[in-house]
Parts: sequence; C-alpha cells; structure tokens
Amino acid sequence: EAGVAQSPRYKIIEKRQSVAFWCNPISGHATLYWYQQILGQGPKLLIQFQNNGVVDDSQLPKDRFSAERLKGVDSTLKIQPAKLEDSAVYLCASSLDVVGLNGYTFGSGTRLTVV
Amino acid sequence: AQKITQTQPGMFVQEKEAVTLDCTYDTSDPSYGLFWYKQPSSGEMIFLIYQGSYDQQNATEGRYSLNFQKARKSANLVISASQLGDSAMYFCALREEANSKLTFGKGITLSVRP
Repeated sequence: EAGVAQSPRYKIIEKRQSVAFWCNPISGHATLYWYQQILGQGPKLLIQFQNNGVVDDSQLPKDRFSAERLKGVDSTLKIQPAKLEDSAVYLCASSLDVVGLNGYTFGSGTRLTVV
Repeated sequence: AQKITQTQPGMFVQEKEAVTLDCTYDTSDPSYGLFWYKQPSSGEMIFLIYQGSYDQQNATEGRYSLNFQKARKSANLVISASQLGDSAMYFCALREEANSKLTFGKGITLSVRP
C-alpha cells in the first residue's frame, strides 16, 4: 500500500510569511495527526483529526497555526505569519482507528526553515 | 511530569554487539501502549516494536526486543547484533487509553562503530 504522502519536502521562508503543508494519509485511515519536531527533540502533537473532525488541538498555537481536513481524507496545515521558532520538521501520521490499535504510519515530513 | 523520559546521552556500540536503550514512562492509565521508533538522518519515523500494558510477554521483532518492567515503568529497547545501518535516533512513545495520540520522548542517538 502507498504510504503517507507529504509535500513539500523542504521549504524556506522569511519570518512573517505564510506557508502551507499538505498530507495525504493511507487510504482508509480515519485518524490523521500533525506533529512538530524541533531539531534535537521528539515530535510534539499539534492536532489530531478523526475523519473531518478535530479530536485534539490543545497544543496548536491557534493564533498562527491552522489545519483542516475538509473531506476527511487529505489535510493541510498552515502557518501565518511564521516565526523563527517555527523552524522544524512537520510530520504527518495516520492510523486506521481512533485508538491507534493498528499502529501509526508516518510520512517523510516537511522540513521548514524560517529565516 | 514528563510522560516519557529518555535520559541517555549519545550511545555508541560496536558492530555485532548488543545495545540497550532506556525508556521510562509515567501514566496513571491502566491501559496503555509503548512504541519504539527509529529515525534515520533522512527523517522518516520507522516503527520498530510495540508493547501493550496487558501483554504477558516481552515483545520481540527480529533483532529488536523490549525489556518491559511494568512495576518500574520502564520499557527498554534491546538491539541485538548491531549493524551499521542501526545508527539513528531512537524514540520511545506512549499511547494512553484515554486518547490515541503518541507522546514521544526526546530520543537517543545511537552510533554503531565498525
């Protein structure tokens, strides 16, 4: 089966600009996650979707970050305006069920550099 | 409190030897799962092994095994017969029954020497 697709692979922007990342999960996976991984740290969950509804966005900086999964399939994560501290790898993951019993599959990530 | 603690500094191991990567966790949920992932320099997160809190036996997957000590809340990863390709970051992660999100530790860097 095809894996979790993410694009772009790399992005460099200036601070205060906006940027968007795209994720297409494994077909049939109901749950989709966006993680932020700052260099030298473990991934931190930003937002979790179950189909097209938000399950957990408690750690999403909502003043500048937004995410949607309108049709319950692919998802977009946006940052506007970007800050230097947003430089990180943004990982998308999906799981078949809401409790992740069948494991999680991660995409290759988008490496964002804010200058 | 940190849910996942990985405190080892960078680890080094000789090729073909075994190595143990430590992980302790903190949860009050009686039902939970522990995961180990490998992240090479290319960035993808590769699933290695899973241990459920009610599993009676320690998990094993090929060269990977999990030393699960529930009372001590530790879930150490053992890699046997290390290979050069094992050089990577290794993350321990916790999933609690209350939700399905994974909470990761800060990771351990493993370097395998020829």
